[in-house]
Amino acid sequence: SYVLTQPPSESVAPGQTARITCWGNYIGAKSVHWYQQRPGQAPVLVVYDDTDRPSGIPERFSGSNSGNKATLTISRVEAGDEADYYCQVWDSSSDQVVFGGGTKLTVL
Amino acid sequence: QLQLQESGPGLVKPSETLSLTCSVSGGSMSSTLYYWDWIRQPPGKGLEWIGSLYYDGTTYYNPSLKSRVTMFVDTSKIQFSLEVSSVTAADTAVYYCARRVSGDTWNWFDPWGQGVVVTVAS
Repeated sequence: SYVLTQPPSESVAPGQTARITCWGNYIGAKSVHWYQQRPGQAPVLVVYDDTDRPSGIPERFSGSNSGNKATLTISRVEAGDEADYYCQVWDSSSDQVVFGGGTKLTVL
Repeated sequence: QLQLQESGPGLVKPSETLSLTCSVSGGSMSSTLYYWDWIRQPPGKGLEWIGSLYYDGTTYYNPSLKSRVTMFVDTSKIQFSLEVSSVTAADTAVYYCARRVSGDTWNWFDPWGQGVVVTVAS
């Protein structure tokens, strides 16, 4: 089955740029989606289809996807961005949803 | 705006069946664009996809849970349900329902319900 690998944690100072990676075999050929989960809350979609943002999501959130790596970039990080972030794809070979293990972003 | 709300018992005994319902408001379940999914999150762990339900009753399940999971939609198509049989402590988790937007190569979840905590214990 398809596997997505994320680093368990990342840390960034306020105002700086955070980059959260998601690794998968030829992930660039898939459509990648990203979710933000603040403590005690349900996940929220922040980037879909590699690069698109749902309405209401700040422009500070952006995504890219190429080769074996997808990246969620958060510019001008704020304290409120501290959360767990999950990448997700659809594995068409097995008709399954696949989530990455999640990355905990700490704002220093 | 579509909203989802999970409901069901917060405590289930080992070996029994866990039953949850997701109520859909602000939209219809009958669109061909969407699937209706269940996802769970064990305490302190990541997200695990349980399965998907199409408005016509077609289902897709995570192979690791397939033998114990049943999903179905009610005839009014304003709610859908999840059953997990023969539960153990490993089934203790927050259970979320979510709408999955589905296309040829893309599938993402939006929105999600707020989640319901289910504990398996005697």
